[in-house]
Amino acid sequence: AQKITQTQPGMFVQEKEAVTLDCTYDTSDQSYGLFWYKQPSSGEMIFLIYQGSYDEQNATEGRYSLNFQKARKSANLVISASQLGDSAMYFCAMREGYSGYSTLTFGKGTMLLVSP
Amino acid sequence: NAGVTQTPKFQVLKTGQSMTLQCAQDMNHNSMYWYRQDPGMGLRLIYYSASEGTTDKGEVPNGYNVSRLNKREFSLRLESAAPSQTSVYFCASSPLGQGYGYTFGSGTRLTVV
Repeated sequence: AQKITQTQPGMFVQEKEAVTLDCTYDTSDQSYGLFWYKQPSSGEMIFLIYQGSYDEQNATEGRYSLNFQKARKSANLVISASQLGDSAMYFCAMREGYSGYSTLTFGKGTMLLVSP
Repeated sequence: NAGVTQTPKFQVLKTGQSMTLQCAQDMNHNSMYWYRQDPGMGLRLIYYSASEGTTDKGEVPNGYNVSRLNKREFSLRLESAAPSQTSVYFCASSPLGQGYGYTFGSGTRLTVV
């Protein structure tokens, strides 16, 4: 079974609108971390936001927020007031367990296109 | 600027040739990683080094070897390149601990013909 599932291969949104990118995860660990990365067409991987499994509040970073629903094992990324520069591939990822030696497992990504 | 430096940025190899991808970080991170990215597949872990002196296989290690030369440097070697190894390769580093994400290098686009 996939550990990280991103069901939306592509999403379209108009500038200034909000958009939600879906991510569900599968783990039996109680302690884990969830991450979102952005990959623009230039190819670099840019860290956006982090949510720990014990964090009670949803994480926010500027226009990005993470809608964390632990019981449903979902960690959706919400981008408010989309900008043209938000057009990119977005990856959800998870790091499991208490050990410091855990690694990031990535989903297959969602391509977001923002239109004027 | 502090970060992760990968070389080369682009490379074309013939089938059967060997090469080493270099990666260095200057953030004093303990852990380093090599991923490959293929269309529609996301990023898949090839090898990682949780700390200096240790290396472990990831999801797709076949055809690759790694060396953690010191705390800063982690190289990936293709001994006999195959067209299936055509991909974009990313090196990354992080501190130890589940709450830390990775800092990525800019990637190496490798084509094997």
